[in-house]
Amino acid sequence: SQELEQSPQSLIVQEGKNLTINCTSSKTLYGLYWYKQKYGEGLIFLMMLQKGGEEKSHEKITAKLDEKKQQSSLHITASQPSHAGIYLCGNNAGNNRKLIWGLGTSLAVNP
Amino acid sequence: GAVVSQHPSRVICKSGTSVKIECRSLDFQATTMFWYRQFPKQSLMLMATSNEGSKATYEQGVEKDKFLINHASLTLSTLTVTSAHPEDSSFYICSAAQVNRGLTDTQYFGPGTRLTVL
Repeated sequence: SQELEQSPQSLIVQEGKNLTINCTSSKTLYGLYWYKQKYGEGLIFLMMLQKGGEEKSHEKITAKLDEKKQQSSLHITASQPSHAGIYLCGNNAGNNRKLIWGLGTSLAVNP
Repeated sequence: GAVVSQHPSRVICKSGTSVKIECRSLDFQATTMFWYRQFPKQSLMLMATSNEGSKATYEQGVEKDKFLINHASLTLSTLTVTSAHPEDSSFYICSAAQVNRGLTDTQYFGPGTRLTVL
C-alpha cells in the first residue's frame, strides 16, 4: 500500500471555485512538502510544513499540517487556469533527505 | 534563487549508445542530488541519491552499472545511461537539496530530460 495517499486523484473545477487536496501519511510526518508539476516539466516547490498546526500561504494557495492526523491539506482559493497541473506531496523519510512521494492529484481548471 | 538546470532537455539516441544527462544547481551548493525517473501519468520513482565526493546510493532494483552517477562538485551531478535500450526511454528528473538552517532540506528540481531510445 502507498505510504502517502493523495485525494482526490484528479479534480476538474470551474475557474473561480475553491478546492482542497489532501495528503495522508501512514507514518510520521517529519517534513511535508508540496510541489506542483506541469506535464513534461520539472517540479516547482510550493511549501514545506514541519510543525503540527503549521499553516503557510503563497498567493492563493494555503497548506496546513495536522500532525496528529498525519495529514496535510492544500487549499486553492478562487482557482485560475494557471493553477492547473499535478500536485504532489512528499514526506521527508528521515535523516537521509529522501522524500517519499504521493501519487499526485491532477487538477484541471476550466475557464 | 534555488535554480536547478538539466541538460539536455530532450535526447533521442540509438539502442546501444550511452547518454549523459547533467544536473546543475546554479545559485546554491548542493551536497546531495537525487535522480528520479517518471513514467507517463505516474509519480516520481527515486533511482539514486548522489552525494558529492562519494559513491551514489541506488534504490532497490536500479542497476548501478546501467545508470552511472557522478557527483564531482557541489553544483554538478551527471547520470549516464549506458547501453541504452528502448525500455530506458523515460522522463528523468534531478533535484538538488538545499540545506535550510535548522530545518529539513528542500529539494529543488530541474526541468527534466526526455530520453527516447530508438
